[in-house]
Amino acid sequence: DAGVIQSPRHEVTEMGQEVTLRCKPISGHDYLFWYRQTMMRGLELLIYFNNNVPIDDSGMPEDRFSAKMPNASFSTLKIQPSEPRDSAVYFCASSKTGASSYGYTFGSGTRLTVV
Amino acid sequence: GESVGLHLPTLSVQEGDNSIINCAYSNSASDYFIWYKQESGKGPQFIIDIRSNMDKRQGQRVTVLLNKTVKHLSLQIAATQPGDSAVYFCAVRPSGYSTLTFGKGTMLLVSP
Repeated sequence: DAGVIQSPRHEVTEMGQEVTLRCKPISGHDYLFWYRQTMMRGLELLIYFNNNVPIDDSGMPEDRFSAKMPNASFSTLKIQPSEPRDSAVYFCASSKTGASSYGYTFGSGTRLTVV
Repeated sequence: GESVGLHLPTLSVQEGDNSIINCAYSNSASDYFIWYKQESGKGPQFIIDIRSNMDKRQGQRVTVLLNKTVKHLSLQIAATQPGDSAVYFCAVRPSGYSTLTFGKGTMLLVSP
């Protein structure tokens, strides 16, 4: 298995621009999580899906952030408009109900820099 | 909500030493605990987990200890190697929840 695949690996954009981050979870996994990582706040859960349905988006910082999961193999996290304080590493992770472990498998992350 | 804390932000050891990384959690109803390792430029990687009905679990060179009385979790790495240098996170799942709450991380630096 290729694991959780995120794209792009790095994104540099100007303030005010729209940014779209992409994630392909592991096939067969029914949970998908979006996390943001910064030095100050560590790993923060933004939103998670179960069977493509958003379950909890209370971690999404503002209305500028939105996430979708149109099918079991793809999810996007969009920021519009982007701001410098959105600069962080964004991770996607997936997991499977009934697996021996409740642990998540993380992607390699997207490093976002908003200038 | 769950809050997870770490006692030491950075731990420096010599190659061959045993390392101990600690983690405190607040919710006594938490039922599942994981340690992750994150190397520079990569996502967190699962190391070992333990359920609340256990107090010790061993893997390859790693041992996780759980003390539910004081809500404390530790990761022991035997014969630490330079390749063990990374940030280590504990993560906790409150009972009945689907999500994990992560600690802020401890950086382990291993000198040859």
